[in-house]
Amino acid sequence: KAGVTQTPRYLIKTRGQQVTLSCSPISGHRSVSWYQQTPGQGLQFLFEYFSETQRNKGNFPGRFSGRQFSNSRSEMNVSTLELGDSALYLCASSLVFDSGANVLTFGAGSRLTVL
Amino acid sequence: GQQLNQSPQSMFIQEGEDVSMNCTSSSIFNTWLWYKQDPGEGPVLLIALYKAGELTSNGRLTAQFGITRKDSFLNISASIPSDVGIYFCAGQYTSGTYKYIFGTGTRLKVLA
Repeated sequence: KAGVTQTPRYLIKTRGQQVTLSCSPISGHRSVSWYQQTPGQGLQFLFEYFSETQRNKGNFPGRFSGRQFSNSRSEMNVSTLELGDSALYLCASSLVFDSGANVLTFGAGSRLTVL
Repeated sequence: GQQLNQSPQSMFIQEGEDVSMNCTSSSIFNTWLWYKQDPGEGPVLLIALYKAGELTSNGRLTAQFGITRKDSFLNISASIPSDVGIYFCAGQYTSGTYKYIFGTGTRLKVLA
């Protein structure tokens, strides 16, 4: 079974540009979550999608947005990039149990550097 | 941003030693996960815990879901050099929020 695939793995952008990151979840997983990882703030929750609907959103500015397609693939977009947006962006897919619990399986991440 | 208190922050140990780390929170969680992350890679799931008091093993790893539901522990027995990496705990709030809060991480270095 293929794992979570994130593209691109590495990218460099300049301030003011925008970026789109892609995530293909494990087949059968309908929940996709995005996290930002930085040395100073650790892993921070961005948002979670299930069946093309955003169910929860973290405490990030509106420049961070996402969407999920009918095949469960997800994209996140960051507009008007700032230096502080440099980070490893991690996508995680999961099954959701009846109890509401879900176990996150992460991709390798997209390393964004903003110059 | 929100992070769970995870300790120790880092540790150097000799190969063959046992390792313990823990996470604490002021909030109650219904699921605890433990991950290991190698440089340049995403976190890899080690153990998932679903019930207070639950004790689960995965090879040399053992984790426990605290009885108060506010903490969790991970033990590694007989450490080996490939145990090097950063270990994270993650807690999920009571169902309905669909998000996890991650610990600050424990960086483990094993001396051969």
